[in-house]
Amino acid sequence: QVQIVQSGAEVRKPGASVKVSCKASGHTFPRYAVHWVRQAPGQSLEWMGYVNAGTGNTKYSQEFQARVTFTRDTSASTAYMELGSLTSKDTAVYYCATERQHDYGFDYWGQGTLVIVSS
Amino acid sequence: YDLTQPPSVSVSPGQTARITCSGDGLVNQYAYWYQQKPGQAPVLIIYKDKERPSGIPKRFSGSSSGTTVTLTISGVQAEDEADYYCQSADTDGSYVFGTGTKVTVL
Repeated sequence: QVQIVQSGAEVRKPGASVKVSCKASGHTFPRYAVHWVRQAPGQSLEWMGYVNAGTGNTKYSQEFQARVTFTRDTSASTAYMELGSLTSKDTAVYYCATERQHDYGFDYWGQGTLVIVSS
Repeated sequence: YDLTQPPSVSVSPGQTARITCSGDGLVNQYAYWYQQKPGQAPVLIIYKDKERPSGIPKRFSGSSSGTTVTLTISGVQAEDEADYYCQSADTDGSYVFGTGTKVTVL
């Protein structure tokens, strides 16, 4: 059974950074793209980018390119998203999702990680 | 580029709901649809414009015409009340989500 489990909620002050983890089990992690998507309260989904779990190659949305880093640890089947220079506008639920085959959509999602940025 | 959806759609149980998603890039790129219920992560319900993942009920279908794609829910059930998002890719390999549609079952 495929399962994606993310790390727990975080509270940060403005200007700080946050690192969220995304652990996959039940399938072959290194073959996938792991996407990061966020959702501010009451808002739509916003694509942040992805990391190729096998090669480590990344693609970032221009919106976040200057302050986000995606990494992965294939031995732990875990991907990471680190977002810096946080402001209150970064308060959101952050999801990771796998794309196991290109053009087949984001097929498995983590439960989401709430990040609150507040002074 | 932007993907535009109607903010809300209301439908009675057993009727058909249609949700549109419009964007110039849809002419050349596949569309995907996700269902999201309150407090839950999105679930993929349509990929490659009209394909259904395993386990998704047949009442969900997708279609495409030019710059508009449509999600159709036939024989709507109370459990279909949720937010629905379309998604597509840009030519540079980035992705974009639609503005979202809230489906209310009357």
